[in-house]
Amino acid sequence: DAKTTQPNSMESNEEEPVHLPCNHSTISGTDYIHWYRQLPSQGPEYVIHGLTSNVNNRMASLAIAEDRKSSTLILHRATLRDAAVYYCILREGTNAGKSTFGDGTTLTVKP
Amino acid sequence: DAGITQSPRHKVTETGTPVTLRCHQTENHRYMYWYRQDPGHGLRLIHYSYGVKDTDKGEVSDGYSVSRSKTEDFLLTLESATSSQTSVYFCAISERGGMATNEKLFFGSGTQLSVL
Repeated sequence: DAKTTQPNSMESNEEEPVHLPCNHSTISGTDYIHWYRQLPSQGPEYVIHGLTSNVNNRMASLAIAEDRKSSTLILHRATLRDAAVYYCILREGTNAGKSTFGDGTTLTVKP
Repeated sequence: DAGITQSPRHKVTETGTPVTLRCHQTENHRYMYWYRQDPGHGLRLIHYSYGVKDTDKGEVSDGYSVSRSKTEDFLLTLESATSSQTSVYFCAISERGGMATNEKLFFGSGTQLSVL
């Protein structure tokens, strides 16, 4: 199964942009790249997903490398409420729920 | 927010006792999943269901069983709880499952289970 690699932790200052990296060198051509985040004491929530092109939504942007072996989640202006664990996962073609959640990146936002 | 309710929210039990956790959804989604999350780690899939009475194992299914007699309910049972099953358990749902890899997963708020 294709896996992802993320840094264990990152820090950011409030109102500054944050770039969260994810490596997925064994990604297959049909795997979608998904990002979820988990706020303290809550279940994970969907953030964004993409296949090949960069994507934007109200929460974040997703930049995907041309060879698709890495991607970056971009929070344009971090707020204290963005402090969470961010998971980058690959959605397999056979069953979406069997995607592997790694340990994620813990984002700390400093006021 | 997706209509997912997990019960109980917190449970303390003793080793060797049976425990059942319930996940109830109001979205009429076909796929339902049970994950466990241990401190400082990501989620690991226990079992999932792709329809009424249709279930399959995940990566950490030993010691757990599931049942789905109605679309809206997915039950996770620990037949004889052990201390290693102390964890936070999350239920998730998705509308169509594997055929739509751009599909979102929606998660419940979790059940904190402590086995003493």
